[in-house]
Amino acid sequence: TQLLEQSPQFLSIQEGENLTVYCNSSSVFSSLQWYRQEPGEGPVLLVTVVTGGEVKKLKRLTFQFGDARKDSSLHITAAQPGDTGLYLCAGDNYGQNFVFGPGTRLSVLP
Amino acid sequence: DSGVTQTPKHLITATGQRVTLRCSPRSGDLSVYWYQQSLDQGLQFLIQYYNGEERAKGNILERFSAQQFPDLHSELNLSSLELGDSALYFCASSVEGTTINSPLHFGNGTRLTVT
Repeated sequence: TQLLEQSPQFLSIQEGENLTVYCNSSSVFSSLQWYRQEPGEGPVLLVTVVTGGEVKKLKRLTFQFGDARKDSSLHITAAQPGDTGLYLCAGDNYGQNFVFGPGTRLSVLP
Repeated sequence: DSGVTQTPKHLITATGQRVTLRCSPRSGDLSVYWYQQSLDQGLQFLIQYYNGEERAKGNILERFSAQQFPDLHSELNLSSLELGDSALYFCASSVEGTTINSPLHFGNGTRLTVT
């Protein structure tokens, strides 16, 4: 069974700070996705990374896929209260289904 | 708005009962996925349908069943409900039958409370 671990589980920071959250697995995934989920809503896709070593930027968010395609990181620069939410990584199990990590719950305080 | 519609938004029922959750996928999407989200388990994949056929099965209990109809909407049936079935149930849709290069679009979920 493929498993994804995410760290930290909870993160509370002040507005303007930088942060990095991690997604790790012992399994190789064909691609990996990051989602953000806000209370009362479903997860919303932020990015998909496919190639080992790939880096993608989405405004203040930088996503990196590990060279071995087993891990990924999400770095947020100058966090804002609007970044608050549950960040989920999901590994694509070679076309069969997505395996989700447990998430990192981020709180950005004004 | 993801374009995926789930009803009802909230459902409260008693142990032993049966409920049906409904999902209408995004226009043009042929695949429907069902996920269960609880505080201690995270998002758990239950089952996937593609164009009316079951495509993949995850950690779905025998008390649970699903189907996808010709108009592509899907229903998840939960029977003999137990307290531990209380959770958020999400439906997601995608264009393809494979997850490769076919991201998921999630509905806002049905919150099921079993008392």
